[in-house]
Amino acid sequence: LAKTTQPISMDSYEGQEVNITCSHNNIATNDYITWYQQFPSQGPRFIIQGYKTKVTNEVASLFIPADRKSSTLSLPRVSLSDTAVYYCLVGPFSGGYNKLIFGAGTRLAVHP
Amino acid sequence: ETGVTQTPRHLVMGMTNKKSLKCEQHLGHNAMYWYKQSAKKPLELMFVYNFKEQTENNSVPSRFSPECPNSSHLFLHLHTLQPEDSALYLCASSQETGRETYEQYFGPGTRLTVT
Repeated sequence: LAKTTQPISMDSYEGQEVNITCSHNNIATNDYITWYQQFPSQGPRFIIQGYKTKVTNEVASLFIPADRKSSTLSLPRVSLSDTAVYYCLVGPFSGGYNKLIFGAGTRLAVHP
Repeated sequence: ETGVTQTPRHLVMGMTNKKSLKCEQHLGHNAMYWYKQSAKKPLELMFVYNFKEQTENNSVPSRFSPECPNSSHLFLHLHTLQPEDSALYLCASSQETGRETYEQYFGPGTRLTVT
């Protein structure tokens, strides 16, 4: 499974757009890119998943360049409740089960 | 509320005790997972059950014993644990079709403290 690298922490302010970039240089052809969010003492929550170009849902956008060696999670107009750890995961879109390999994640702190 | 419940939410046990963690999913999924999250460490996948069959045991010590009696319930039986086993234990479920992979839904976790 492809290893991912993302910043350990980031700070932002309410109302700003936050972009968290993840590097995955050895991503395989059948790998998808998935982002999860985790609040303290809770389980992770799926945010968004994509394969290439851009994906947008009601909470975030995911930008993936053509070479797919990196991806950027974009959170528009963050609020205090977006303070959490964000995980970038890369893995095969395969059958059987989804073997998620979590890294250290990016700890996002949103300030008033 | 994710549709995955875990009980108890908090557990303190001695090293000689035997206890069980319970997970129930109300989503009709066919795959269930146990993860361990220790302080300052990434989530670690422990066990995977797909259609009630264990498909992954990620080199977990035998003092952790999983049980999946049906596709909605998952247990983690604990005995003779060590203090380093203190962690947040998370259960998750997903619907696997054999052709593609879907998101996992996590429960709130059980905070385990071994004294």
